[in-house]
Amino acid sequence: EVQLVESGGGLVEPGGSLRLSCAASGFTFSTYNMNWVRQAPGKGLEWVSYIRSGSNYTYYADSVKGRFTISRDNAKSSLYLQMNSLRADDTAVYYCARERLVWGSWPTFDYWGQGTLVTVSS
Amino acid sequence: DIQMTQSPSSLSASVGDRVTITCRASQSIDRYLNWYQQKPGKAPKLLIYAASSLQSGVPSRFSGSGSGTDFTLTISTLQPEDFATYCCQQTYSTPGYSFGQGTKVEIK
Repeated sequence: EVQLVESGGGLVEPGGSLRLSCAASGFTFSTYNMNWVRQAPGKGLEWVSYIRSGSNYTYYADSVKGRFTISRDNAKSSLYLQMNSLRADDTAVYYCARERLVWGSWPTFDYWGQGTLVTVSS
Repeated sequence: DIQMTQSPSSLSASVGDRVTITCRASQSIDRYLNWYQQKPGKAPKLLIYAASSLQSGVPSRFSGSGSGTDFTLTISTLQPEDFATYCCQQTYSTPGYSFGQGTKVEIK
């Protein structure tokens, strides 16, 4: 059974840092691209960041570029999101999502974690 | 960046109704369009991919159509468990995927 379990969320002051983790199981983690998606309270989904299966390519939403860093440890089947210079508008539930390429090239997010809440407030 | 706009933002419907939700892209995205269902406090669930392909395990009352810039999600006969928020996602700009703002389907 595929499972994604996020951890590391919590309350942090503006300007602070937090590191989120996503532990994967039930599939060959090293062969899948992974993403972080967030959802502010009462708002829609916002894609945050992407990392290719081999860690050789990463991509960020403009809203987090230069502040967030995505990484992965394929040996530990784990995905990470280092968040620095946090702002109030980064407050959200953060989900990790597995990207499946249907027919080899059509991306879908077929499995999601349960999410971890990050609250940025003084 | 590709902007995704859904309409309506919310709707009220009864069990048994046919429901249609629209998603429009700011530029052509071919058929790189996914639909998700999200219930309160839960993660999104993939329903439709590539505009019209049904994800495994998803009931056949859900269907998707469209290409280019205009897409629809249809629930043919609304069931009690279908009351949720539905969201489209474009995966044409790879990566840098963007979502629509969501459509909340409520009980009339």
